Amino acid sequence: GQNIDQPTEMTATEGAIVQINCTYQTSGFNGLFWYQQHAGEAPTFLSYNVLDGLEEKGRFSSFLSRSKGYSYLLLKELQMKDSASYLCAVVDSNYQLIWGAGTKLIIKP
Amino acid sequence: DVKVTQSSRYLVKRTGEKVFLECVQDMDHENMFWYRQDPGLGLRLIYFSYDVKMKEKGDIPEGYSVSREKKERFSLILESASTNQTSMYLCASSLWTQGYNSPLHFGNGTRLTVT
Repeated sequence: GQNIDQPTEMTATEGAIVQINCTYQTSGFNGLFWYQQHAGEAPTFLSYNVLDGLEEKGRFSSFLSRSKGYSYLLLKELQMKDSASYLCAVVDSNYQLIWGAGTKLIIKP
Repeated sequence: DVKVTQSSRYLVKRTGEKVFLECVQDMDHENMFWYRQDPGLGLRLIYFSYDVKMKEKGDIPEGYSVSREKKERFSLILESASTNQTSMYLCASSLWTQGYNSPLHFGNGTRLTVT
C-alpha cells in the first residue's frame, strides 16, 4: 500500500527553528508538496520538490531525498502565526496525490 | 489571486436527505477536486474532474456523485446523507500543465454535520 508518515504534533518556541519530517512509501514518485493549514481554513501551498536537495523560500525551506523516501520542512525564526498544521503530499506514478495526516505545530512564546 | 468559493461554511442535514455542495473557481482551471478531511486522516479524494462533463472516481466515491456542467463549477452530491458522511469537505482546483504538477488551490471548506 501507499503510505505517508508525519509526526502528529510538534511544539516549538517563538524565534526558534523546527524541522517537520515526512517519509513516504508510494508506487512511484513524481514530486512532493508541502501545504500549510491554519485551523478552520483552507490548506495553502508552501513548496514543491521533485529533485533531490534543498529549496529555500524565505523563512521556509523544503528538502527532498528520493533515495531515502524522505522530505522535511524547515521553519526558521518561528512566529506565532506559524502555528498551523503542515501537510505533506506525494505525487505517485499515476499522478495522483497521496496525503499524509498532517503535523500540528504549536508555537509557544 | 485564485479564488475557490464553497457555497456554505457550515451545513446541518438529516439522515436520508439529498445534499448539494457547490464549488466555484474563478481562474479558468481545468482540474477540480472534492476531498473530505477527517481528524487523524490525510485528505481523501472523493471525485475529480479534468474537464467539463468529465468526472473520475477518487479513493472514496461511494455514497457521492458529482456534476461539472460548466468549467468553473464542480458540485458534490450526497444522494442520501448518512452520519458517517459528517466531515469537512474541501474543494480544490488546479491548472493542467503537462510535465509539471500544479499546486492545488483550496476553498475554505464546508463542515457538514448529518444527524
